[in-house]
Amino acid sequence: ETGVTQSPTHLIKTRGQQVTLRCSSQSGHNTVSWYQQALGQGPQFIFQYYREEENGRGNFPPRFSGLQFPNYSSELNVNALELDDSALYLCASSLGRRRARSGANVLTFGAGSRLTVL
Amino acid sequence: GENVEQHPSTLSVQEGDSAVIKCTYSDSASNYFPWYKQELGKRPQLIIDIRSNVGEKKDQRIAVTLNKTAKHFSLHITETQPEDSAVYFCVLEGDSGGSNYKLTFGKGTLLTVNP
Repeated sequence: ETGVTQSPTHLIKTRGQQVTLRCSSQSGHNTVSWYQQALGQGPQFIFQYYREEENGRGNFPPRFSGLQFPNYSSELNVNALELDDSALYLCASSLGRRRARSGANVLTFGAGSRLTVL
Repeated sequence: GENVEQHPSTLSVQEGDSAVIKCTYSDSASNYFPWYKQELGKRPQLIIDIRSNVGEKKDQRIAVTLNKTAKHFSLHITETQPEDSAVYFCVLEGDSGGSNYKLTFGKGTLLTVNP
């Protein structure tokens, strides 16, 4: 059984550029969530994908977008990068249903992609 | 929206002592309260969780308590060891609308266990 893998592990971009981060979910998982973790803070929910559809979104602007593919892997895209977008981006997979019962959202996190925007 | 306050932000203890981290929340219908541990430079990992139909849960040296009426929950680590040194996050599941797809993390507590 493989865990959650993310790529790239580190990257540097400049303001205004666009970035795509990738995530392979754990074997058997059908749900992917993305979190942004700024330095010294807890992870903040960006959005979740369940079976290729967005299943919920946090308080992030539309320039944060995502995709989930038939194999349940996922991408996070961020357009028009700003300095404040510098953070660790964590992907987490889980086995869920659209109307999952409470406590079903047990996440397995990847190691993250460290984005620096200059 | 939902919010979770976590205290203290840093905690330093001697090896063998106990450590307690406390969290309070508001505006949430959450029924599930996990705790995640994140070692330096590593991914967050679930260490223990508790559901709202129980008040306490224990797993070896780790215990969690929940007071849903007062909206606070705590993590207790006994007989601390240097490998317990990490950032600990209390977490709420869900939002005020009743959806449970979202986890809301506290700001974290940096626990340092001194040998």
